[in-house]
Amino acid sequence: DTEVTQTPKHLVMGMTNKKSLKCEQHMGHRAMYWYKQKAKKPPELMFVYSYEKLSINESVPSRFSPECPNSSLLNLHLHALQPEDSALYLCASSRPYGDSSYEQYFGPGTRLTVT
Amino acid sequence: KNEVEQSPQNLTAQEGEFITINCSYSVGISALHWLQQHPGGGIVSLFMLSSGKKKHGRLIATINIQEKHSSLHITASHPRDSAVYICAVPGYYNTDKLIFGTGTRLQVFP
Repeated sequence: DTEVTQTPKHLVMGMTNKKSLKCEQHMGHRAMYWYKQKAKKPPELMFVYSYEKLSINESVPSRFSPECPNSSLLNLHLHALQPEDSALYLCASSRPYGDSSYEQYFGPGTRLTVT
Repeated sequence: KNEVEQSPQNLTAQEGEFITINCSYSVGISALHWLQQHPGGGIVSLFMLSSGKKKHGRLIATINIQEKHSSLHITASHPRDSAVYICAVPGYYNTDKLIFGTGTRLQVFP
């Protein structure tokens, strides 16, 4: 199984809503990532979890709250978002990095629209 | 800081043509990724390579570590190859953090 799955595929939410994005992989990867991608731009890293611990937070606003319940699952909790947060949210996984580079496997993304 | 540059930014081709997309980076790396993204879609990893050449179907990726340059070739291009192709390298101080090129938007017409 070389797949990263993400749910939901599409999400429309109001600025006062609370919602969650879910990402799952069963490749035994120990690093999982959240990216945000705006139209016609490359992905921007948001968070990295390594061995279920948050290792990188790219100064993301607190209205985005990541959670890694176990090594296969990664959530992104959303609360009080702004319209400019509308984007494609991508999850990826890989083995943890040491001196070697490991390939990142990306999910299909969740297209989020904030109204 | 590693800078990643891709060329061309946009590419139009007729079906069957041979396509080359280039990627240059400024700091030595352990490996380079080539990624594909169809319009409105997620990202697919095409290759990760650290030396030489890799081939998968009609796609060929090469890398020259000394010259800090990689190329992605598509032979016998097809309209379904129309997508954005992105190269990415691991950050120098933190290899978890990929540095992405700006992407090459390819359109292949029948």
